[in-house]
Amino acid sequence: DGGITQSPKYLFRKEGQNVTLSCEQNLNHDAMYWYRQDPGQGLRLIYYSQIVNDFQKGDIAEGYSVSREKKESFPLTVTSAQKNPTAFYLCASSSRSQTGQDQPQHFGDGTRLSIL
Amino acid sequence: AQSVAQPEDQVNVAEGNPLTVKCTYSVSGNPYLFWYVQYPNRGLQFLLKYITGDNLVKGSYGFEAEFNKSQTSFHLKKPSALVSDSALYFCAVRASYNFNKFYFGSGTKLNVKP
Repeated sequence: DGGITQSPKYLFRKEGQNVTLSCEQNLNHDAMYWYRQDPGQGLRLIYYSQIVNDFQKGDIAEGYSVSREKKESFPLTVTSAQKNPTAFYLCASSSRSQTGQDQPQHFGDGTRLSIL
Repeated sequence: AQSVAQPEDQVNVAEGNPLTVKCTYSVSGNPYLFWYVQYPNRGLQFLLKYITGDNLVKGSYGFEAEFNKSQTSFHLKKPSALVSDSALYFCAVRASYNFNKFYFGSGTKLNVKP
C-alpha cells in the first residue's frame, strides 16, 4: 500500500546533539511538509518542499534543517540550536491537482522526540 | 490573514447521540477547508473537504460537515456517535495565496461515552 513512513517512532536527543528524522513516501507526491505538534497548539509548519532540490521555511524553521535530494525523501534535522525540541513531529505529503488546491495532505505516524 | 479557530478544547457526547465539532475560519479568497482525525500516537487522517458546490459535504466514517459562508464556519457533524469516534479532530484551511500552506486549528478532543 502507498503511504508515508516516518522513522524512528521514538527518538532521544542529548544536549548539543543533532538528530535526523526520516520521512519517506511512495505516493509519488510532489510536495512534502514537516510539522511540529505540541499539546493544545495544533500543528505548526517547520519546512515544506514543492519539488526536488527546493524547500521553503515555514513558521518555526529556526533550529531545524531539511534536504530534498529525492522526490520520495524529506529528512528533517533537529540541530542543537533548537533549545526546546521535545515534541511530536509529523511529516506529510500532497499532490497537485489541476486546480492545485483541492488535495488533502497525507500524514505519517510521527516521531516523538525527547531530551535525555 | 489566514486562520482557523476551534473554540472547544473538548466535546463530550453520549454514544448514539449526534455530535458537532465547531470550526470557524478566516481567509482571503475562496476557502479550501478540510477536517482530519488523529488517534493517539498516530498521524492525521483525512476525513472530508470542502472546495466548492453543496454546502453539506459527506466524508469518511459517517462524518459530514456543513459549510456556512455567511458565518465563516465549517462544523463537523455525525448523526450518531460511536465510542470509537473518540479522538482529536483538526480543522484546516489551505492558503489561497500559497497552495502549499495549510493552517490548522488547535484541535478538539472528542469523548464519546458508552
